[in-house]
Amino acid sequence: GAGVSQTPSNKVTEKGKYVELRCDPISGHTALYWYRQSLGQGPEFLIYFQGTGAADDSGLPNDRFFAVRPEGSVSTLKIQRTERGDSAVYLCASSLGDRDGGELFFGEGSRLTVL
Amino acid sequence: GEDVEQSLFLSVREGDSSVINCTYTDSSSTYLYWYKQEPGAGLQLLTYIFSNMDMKQDQRLTVLLNKKDKHLSLRIADTQTGDSAIYFCAESSNFGNEKLTFGTGTRLTIIP
Repeated sequence: GAGVSQTPSNKVTEKGKYVELRCDPISGHTALYWYRQSLGQGPEFLIYFQGTGAADDSGLPNDRFFAVRPEGSVSTLKIQRTERGDSAVYLCASSLGDRDGGELFFGEGSRLTVL
Repeated sequence: GEDVEQSLFLSVREGDSSVINCTYTDSSSTYLYWYKQEPGAGLQLLTYIFSNMDMKQDQRLTVLLNKKDKHLSLRIADTQTGDSAIYFCAESSNFGNEKLTFGTGTRLTIIP
């Protein structure tokens, strides 16, 4: 379909390893968001891109987390030196990005498990 | 910071109405949303309401907003088994163009 696509859908890694999660937004959507959803919780905002630039990265928990969107389309969330507390579902969403006109469309998420 | 609260569980008999409640603290919230999350699926926007409205109806869904008390509710009429899901309340200052603050979600279970 033409929805937001996230890969991998599941990732199991060991504590201390590096992980990359990928998001393909809906074609033409200029705004892209990353959220993190821990078990039994609602999604928590991590970072928001408008085009290629991070417009708001205030939700990134620490400097182990980094995200890029070099060509204004696909985005990669990078987590260094993973910790067990990083285990969660990482959700990506995209929108048209116009003020007062941008419904968010979410992907199915990447479930990260850190052993 | 902003806080959005919901009760965790709700059980309703099939055919009855479901009412899911939410309270929020941010007085600058401009848009309030209801999202639905089914197992293995992405979050789906059900409906939203602008803060200068007090009610919005969309088929079986009715949203009520009490801005003075910062209370939002979602009523689902004639609840069906397909309505089983987790429902999240969320708020933002701009529609879709800024970070959303979500509640913890209410798991709706339908009793046959």
